[in-house]
Amino acid sequence: GAVVSQHPSRVICKSGTSVKIECRSLDFQATTMFWYRQFPKKSLMLMATSNEGSKATYEQGVEKDKFLINHASLTLSTLTVTSAHPEDSSFYICSARGLAGGPGEFFGPGTRLTVL
Amino acid sequence: LAKTTQPISMDSYEGQEVNITCSHNNIATNDYITWYQQFPSQGPRFIIQGYKTKVTNEVASLFIPADRKSSTLSLPRVSLSDTAVYYCLVGDNMAAGNKLTFGGGTRVLVKP
Repeated sequence: GAVVSQHPSRVICKSGTSVKIECRSLDFQATTMFWYRQFPKKSLMLMATSNEGSKATYEQGVEKDKFLINHASLTLSTLTVTSAHPEDSSFYICSARGLAGGPGEFFGPGTRLTVL
Repeated sequence: LAKTTQPISMDSYEGQEVNITCSHNNIATNDYITWYQQFPSQGPRFIIQGYKTKVTNEVASLFIPADRKSSTLSLPRVSLSDTAVYYCLVGDNMAAGNKLTFGGGTRVLVKP
Protein backbone atom coordinates (compact mmCIF):
# COMPACT_ATOMS: atom_id res chain seq x y z
CA GLY A 1 0.00 0.00 0.00
CA ALA A 2 0.88 3.66 -0.18
CA VAL A 3 3.45 4.94 2.30
CA VAL A 4 3.37 8.26 4.11
CA SER A 5 6.26 9.35 6.29
CA GLN A 6 6.61 12.06 8.89
CA HIS A 7 9.70 13.71 10.25
CA PRO A 8 10.59 14.03 13.02
CA SER A 9 8.80 11.28 14.88
CA ARG A 10 9.37 13.02 18.18
CA VAL A 11 10.44 16.53 19.09
CA ILE A 12 10.93 18.36 22.35
CA CYS A 13 11.30 22.11 22.26
CA LYS A 14 11.30 25.10 24.53
CA SER A 15 8.32 27.38 24.84
CA GLY A 16 8.43 30.18 22.28
CA THR A 17 10.32 28.30 19.60
CA SER A 18 8.93 27.13 16.26
CA VAL A 19 8.82 23.55 15.15
CA LYS A 20 8.46 22.22 11.61
CA ILE A 21 6.97 18.81 10.87
CA GLU A 22 7.31 17.26 7.42
CA CYS A 23 4.86 14.91 5.79
CA ARG A 24 5.88 13.02 2.65
CA SER A 25 4.06 10.65 0.36
CA LEU A 26 6.82 8.24 -0.63
CA ASP A 27 5.38 6.31 -3.55
CA PHE A 28 2.55 8.39 -4.89
CA GLN A 29 1.64 11.97 -5.61
CA ALA A 30 -0.73 13.44 -3.08
CA THR A 31 -3.25 15.85 -4.44
CA THR A 32 -4.41 16.62 -0.92
CA MET A 33 -2.81 16.26 2.49
CA PHE A 34 -4.52 16.62 5.82
CA TRP A 35 -3.17 17.54 9.23
CA TYR A 36 -4.67 16.20 12.44
CA ARG A 37 -3.85 16.51 16.08
CA GLN A 38 -4.66 13.98 18.75
CA PHE A 39 -4.66 14.37 22.51
CA PRO A 40 -4.15 11.36 24.79
CA LYS A 41 -7.02 8.86 24.64
CA LYS A 42 -8.94 11.14 22.29
CA SER A 43 -9.85 10.87 18.66
CA LEU A 44 -8.11 12.60 15.78
CA MET A 45 -9.18 16.19 15.16
CA LEU A 46 -8.75 17.60 11.70
CA MET A 47 -6.78 20.84 11.72
CA ALA A 48 -6.46 21.72 8.07
CA THR A 49 -6.64 20.54 4.50
CA SER A 50 -3.62 21.21 2.35
CA ASN A 51 -3.70 21.27 -1.44
CA GLU A 52 -0.55 21.50 -3.49
CA GLY A 53 0.11 24.99 -4.74
CA SER A 54 -2.71 26.67 -2.87
CA LYS A 55 -3.45 27.96 0.60
CA ALA A 56 -4.51 25.51 3.24
CA THR A 57 -8.08 25.40 4.48
CA TYR A 58 -8.26 25.48 8.24
CA GLU A 59 -10.96 24.02 10.44
CA GLN A 60 -12.93 26.29 12.69
CA GLY A 61 -10.99 27.19 15.79
CA VAL A 62 -7.55 26.43 14.34
CA GLU A 63 -5.31 29.50 14.14
CA LYS A 64 -3.75 29.72 10.71
CA ASP A 65 -1.00 32.04 11.95
CA LYS A 66 -0.14 29.60 14.68
CA PHE A 67 -0.09 26.50 12.51
CA LEU A 68 1.53 27.35 9.20
CA ILE A 69 1.01 24.84 6.44
CA ASN A 70 2.95 24.70 3.21
CA HIS A 71 2.29 22.19 0.44
CA ALA A 72 5.09 22.98 -1.96
CA SER A 73 5.01 19.79 -4.00
CA LEU A 74 2.81 16.79 -4.68
CA THR A 75 4.84 14.73 -2.22
CA LEU A 76 5.57 17.14 0.62
CA SER A 77 3.54 19.16 3.08
CA THR A 78 4.91 20.88 6.16
CA LEU A 79 3.28 22.02 9.36
CA THR A 80 5.07 24.67 11.38
CA VAL A 81 3.94 25.28 14.93
CA THR A 82 5.00 28.86 15.57
CA SER A 83 5.88 30.19 19.01
CA ALA A 84 4.99 26.89 20.57
CA HIS A 85 3.53 26.74 24.06
CA PRO A 86 2.98 23.78 26.39
CA GLU A 87 -0.67 23.56 25.36
CA ASP A 88 0.50 22.82 21.81
CA SER A 89 2.00 19.57 23.03
CA SER A 90 0.18 16.85 21.18
CA PHE A 91 0.44 14.05 18.63
CA TYR A 92 0.32 15.47 15.11
CA ILE A 93 -0.64 13.16 12.26
CA CYS A 94 -0.75 13.83 8.56
CA SER A 95 -2.55 11.93 5.85
CA ALA A 96 -2.28 12.00 2.11
CA ARG A 97 -4.78 11.34 -0.61
CA GLY A 98 -4.24 10.88 -4.27
CA LEU A 99 -3.87 7.22 -5.03
CA ALA A 100 -6.62 6.42 -7.45
CA GLY A 101 -8.56 3.23 -6.97
CA GLY A 102 -7.53 2.59 -3.38
CA PRO A 103 -9.00 3.51 -0.03
CA GLY A 104 -8.09 7.05 -0.76
CA GLU A 105 -6.34 8.25 2.39
CA PHE A 106 -3.15 7.03 4.01
CA PHE A 107 -1.80 8.21 7.33
CA GLY A 108 1.69 9.01 8.48
CA PRO A 109 3.13 7.53 11.67
CA GLY A 110 2.63 10.75 13.62
CA THR A 111 4.89 13.24 15.38
CA ARG A 112 4.93 13.63 19.14
CA LEU A 113 5.51 17.27 20.07
CA THR A 114 6.39 18.16 23.62
CA VAL A 115 6.77 21.83 24.50
CA LEU A 116 8.52 22.53 27.75
CA LEU B 1 -20.48 14.95 6.70
CA ALA B 2 -22.03 11.71 7.85
CA LYS B 3 -21.79 11.23 11.60
CA THR B 4 -20.87 7.84 12.96
CA THR B 5 -21.71 6.14 16.24
CA GLN B 6 -19.82 3.14 17.57
CA PRO B 7 -19.42 1.50 20.96
CA ILE B 8 -16.83 3.12 23.17
CA SER B 9 -15.13 -0.12 24.09
CA MET B 10 -15.27 -3.88 23.72
CA ASP B 11 -13.46 -6.70 25.49
CA SER B 12 -12.70 -10.02 23.89
CA TYR B 13 -10.45 -13.05 24.32
CA GLU B 14 -7.80 -14.47 22.09
CA GLY B 15 -9.17 -16.64 19.32
CA GLN B 16 -12.64 -15.13 19.40
CA GLU B 17 -14.34 -13.19 16.63
CA VAL B 18 -14.89 -9.53 17.30
CA ASN B 19 -17.72 -7.65 15.62
CA ILE B 20 -17.92 -3.87 15.86
CA THR B 21 -21.03 -2.17 14.55
CA CYS B 22 -21.05 1.42 13.39
CA SER B 23 -24.19 3.46 12.80
CA HIS B 24 -24.23 6.09 10.05
CA ASN B 25 -27.85 7.00 9.47
CA ASN B 26 -27.22 9.97 7.18
CA ILE B 27 -24.72 8.35 4.84
CA ALA B 28 -24.73 9.94 1.41
CA THR B 29 -24.89 8.22 -1.96
CA ASN B 30 -21.23 8.83 -2.78
CA ASP B 31 -19.94 7.89 0.67
CA TYR B 32 -17.73 4.90 1.32
CA ILE B 33 -17.34 3.21 4.68
CA THR B 34 -13.74 2.87 5.82
CA TRP B 35 -12.30 1.32 8.95
CA TYR B 36 -8.95 2.17 10.46
CA GLN B 37 -6.97 0.64 13.29
CA GLN B 38 -4.80 2.74 15.57
CA PHE B 39 -2.22 1.63 18.09
CA PRO B 40 -0.95 4.05 20.76
CA SER B 41 1.41 6.69 19.40
CA GLN B 42 0.97 5.54 15.81
CA GLY B 43 -0.99 6.84 12.87
CA PRO B 44 -4.20 5.07 11.83
CA ARG B 45 -3.75 2.05 9.62
CA PHE B 46 -6.25 1.20 6.88
CA ILE B 47 -8.13 -2.04 7.49
CA ILE B 48 -10.96 -2.25 4.99
CA GLN B 49 -13.31 -0.18 2.89
CA GLY B 50 -16.67 -0.94 1.33
CA TYR B 51 -19.66 0.61 -0.33
CA LYS B 52 -22.32 -2.10 -0.02
CA THR B 53 -22.88 -5.79 0.76
CA LYS B 54 -19.79 -7.60 1.97
CA VAL B 55 -16.11 -7.00 1.57
CA THR B 56 -13.41 -9.36 2.80
CA ASN B 57 -9.66 -9.11 2.85
CA GLU B 58 -6.88 -10.94 4.62
CA VAL B 59 -7.48 -9.26 7.96
CA ALA B 60 -11.19 -8.47 8.23
CA SER B 61 -14.66 -8.55 6.76
CA LEU B 62 -17.04 -5.66 6.40
CA PHE B 63 -20.77 -6.25 6.30
CA ILE B 64 -23.02 -3.50 4.97
CA PRO B 65 -26.80 -3.93 4.83
CA ALA B 66 -28.84 -2.76 1.89
CA ASP B 67 -29.86 0.54 3.48
CA ARG B 68 -26.16 1.30 4.29
CA LYS B 69 -27.17 2.98 7.54
CA SER B 70 -24.83 0.80 9.50
CA SER B 71 -21.84 -1.45 8.98
CA THR B 72 -20.11 -4.18 10.95
CA LEU B 73 -16.40 -4.81 11.04
CA SER B 74 -15.61 -8.43 11.78
CA LEU B 75 -12.18 -9.45 13.04
CA PRO B 76 -11.81 -13.24 12.98
CA ARG B 77 -9.84 -15.02 15.68
CA VAL B 78 -8.30 -12.00 17.35
CA SER B 79 -4.94 -12.07 19.06
CA LEU B 80 -3.44 -9.88 21.77
CA SER B 81 -1.87 -7.71 19.08
CA ASP B 82 -5.32 -6.71 17.85
CA THR B 83 -5.80 -4.60 20.97
CA ALA B 84 -6.26 -1.14 19.49
CA VAL B 85 -8.76 1.59 18.74
CA TYR B 86 -10.90 1.00 15.67
CA TYR B 87 -12.44 3.92 13.81
CA CYS B 88 -15.34 3.83 11.41
CA LEU B 89 -15.33 6.67 8.91
CA VAL B 90 -17.90 7.56 6.32
CA GLY B 91 -17.25 9.85 3.40
CA ASP B 92 -16.28 10.19 -0.20
CA ASN B 93 -12.57 9.77 0.35
CA MET B 94 -11.93 9.19 -3.30
CA ALA B 95 -12.62 12.79 -4.16
CA ALA B 96 -9.76 15.20 -3.73
CA GLY B 97 -10.31 17.67 -0.95
CA ASN B 98 -13.18 15.83 0.73
CA LYS B 99 -12.34 15.54 4.37
CA LEU B 100 -13.09 12.70 6.74
CA THR B 101 -14.32 13.17 10.28
CA PHE B 102 -13.16 10.83 13.00
CA GLY B 103 -15.66 9.76 15.62
CA GLY B 104 -14.73 8.47 19.01
CA GLY B 105 -13.66 5.02 17.88
CA THR B 106 -14.02 1.69 19.66
CA ARG B 107 -11.32 0.63 22.05
CA VAL B 108 -10.92 -3.13 21.72
CA LEU B 109 -9.09 -5.00 24.43
CA VAL B 110 -8.11 -8.59 23.69
CA LYS B 111 -7.41 -10.62 26.77
CA PRO B 112 -5.39 -13.83 27.02
